[in-house]
Amino acid sequence: QQQVKQSPQSLIVQKGGISIINCAYENTAFDYFPWYQQFPGKGPALLIAIRPDVSEKKEGRFTISFNKSAKQFSLHIMDSQPGDSATYFCAARNSGGSNYKLTFGKGTLLTVNP
Amino acid sequence: GAGVSQSPRYKVAKRGQDVALRCDPISGHVSLFWYQQALGQGPEFLTYFQNEAQLDKSGLPSDRFFAERPEGSVSTLKIQRTQQEDSAVYLCASSDEAAGGYNEQFFGPGTRLTVL
Repeated sequence: QQQVKQSPQSLIVQKGGISIINCAYENTAFDYFPWYQQFPGKGPALLIAIRPDVSEKKEGRFTISFNKSAKQFSLHIMDSQPGDSATYFCAARNSGGSNYKLTFGKGTLLTVNP
Repeated sequence: GAGVSQSPRYKVAKRGQDVALRCDPISGHVSLFWYQQALGQGPEFLTYFQNEAQLDKSGLPSDRFFAERPEGSVSTLKIQRTQQEDSAVYLCASSDEAAGGYNEQFFGPGTRLTVL
C-alpha cells in the first residue's frame, strides 16, 4: 500500500517557468509534510516543510500548498532555474508517534531547460 | 559542523557475501534512521534508533538485515548472505529530537550497494 502518491514522475520546464509537483496521502495521522531535493550521488536535503494547521508556506521561490480535506499537498517552484534540476520527493510523518520515520513518495525528476 | 557521513560510498559484493555499512551521525543527534532507496524510487524506512535503543525495525526486509548502534553514536547496518535484490542505496539520517517534535532529518550521501 503506497501511503504517499506523487505525480508526475518526470517534469520538464523552461527556465523562468513554474514547476508544480503534487502529492496525496492516505494516513490521516500524518501531521508533518516535508519536501526533499536530491541531486545525483547525494542524499536527500530538506527543502521546505509544512504542518496541516496552515494551507500555504512560502520560502523564497518555493511554496507548499496544503489541502487537508482532500489530503493533498503540492510544491510550486517559481522562476525555475537550471540549478533546480534534481529529483524531488514529498514525504509525510506522524510526529505524534514514537517513531519519526518518513514515508516518501516515489519522486519527480525535474529538468529545467536553459 | 560536519554532516552525516557514510562509508563506504560504494560497495560491490558477490551474492552470498556479508557486508557492513557504517553511518556517522551528526554529533549529539539522538535519533538515527536507516532507509533503503532502490533505483528510481523514494527512500523506504528500514529501522530507527533512539540513542542505543533500536525502537523500530519493522522495515527490515528479512532476518538477513541487522543494525546496531551500541554506544548511541555510530551505527552499522549489516546484511548477511547478500542477494541481488539487496542492490540499492542505503541512506542514513539523524535528528536531534527524541519523541515528539518536527525537527529535520539530515541525510548522509548514502552507500550504493551492488550485488553481483
